Amino acid sequence: AQSVTQLGSHVSVSEGALVLLRCNYSSSVPPYLFWYVQYPNQGLQLLLKYTTGATLVKGINGFEAEFKKSETSFHLTKPSAHMSDAAEYFCAVTPSGGYNKLIFGAGTRLAVHP
Amino acid sequence: EAGVTQFPSHSVIEKGQTVTLRCDPISGHDNLYWYRRVMGKEIKFLLHFVKESKQDESGMPNNRFLAERTGGTYSTLKVQPAELEDSGVYFCASTQGDRAYNEQFFGPGTRLTVL
Repeated sequence: AQSVTQLGSHVSVSEGALVLLRCNYSSSVPPYLFWYVQYPNQGLQLLLKYTTGATLVKGINGFEAEFKKSETSFHLTKPSAHMSDAAEYFCAVTPSGGYNKLIFGAGTRLAVHP
Repeated sequence: EAGVTQFPSHSVIEKGQTVTLRCDPISGHDNLYWYRRVMGKEIKFLLHFVKESKQDESGMPNNRFLAERTGGTYSTLKVQPAELEDSGVYFCASTQGDRAYNEQFFGPGTRLTVL
């Protein structure tokens, strides 16, 4: 069965510092890959997704992620953290060619301090 | 355009009681999904409706959970009788298409606490 691993349940960065949230998936066939963000008291919102084509994907709010098949990774980055980026981030996959059933990682809570 | 809405936002019930959660998807979205997040763990798939039909209910924990989607619009998820381990946040999501690359739009969730 497919699984998603997010390294680090909590990450803390300074405002202006690089944000790096790690995600690895287990699958012999590259799935579709997603990053969702959940702000307090809100639903999950799609940040970006990888389906096919260019492996560097740009999303909203200055985030981007790179699909690396050889490493089975889809790490999320942002060059400069802002206080408003404080939220919980979820990496998820769906099996390519299948129905749209998301398999999530456990989530990473990002704290941004002044 | 209104997003996915869920009701109630919070529910606290005693073990053995019944609770019904409701989800209203985005208008026109045929596909509706239920997920659950137990404290500190990953969000897990429960089931998938296409219109009023259950496409995949492989994630439903047991027969104490009953999901319906009458008329292919809103959906309800009933837990009867509730157990302590049912506590968690229940999310609903909807999409227009059912392809694996389609974005799912999530509601804010219902936080269920079973005492």
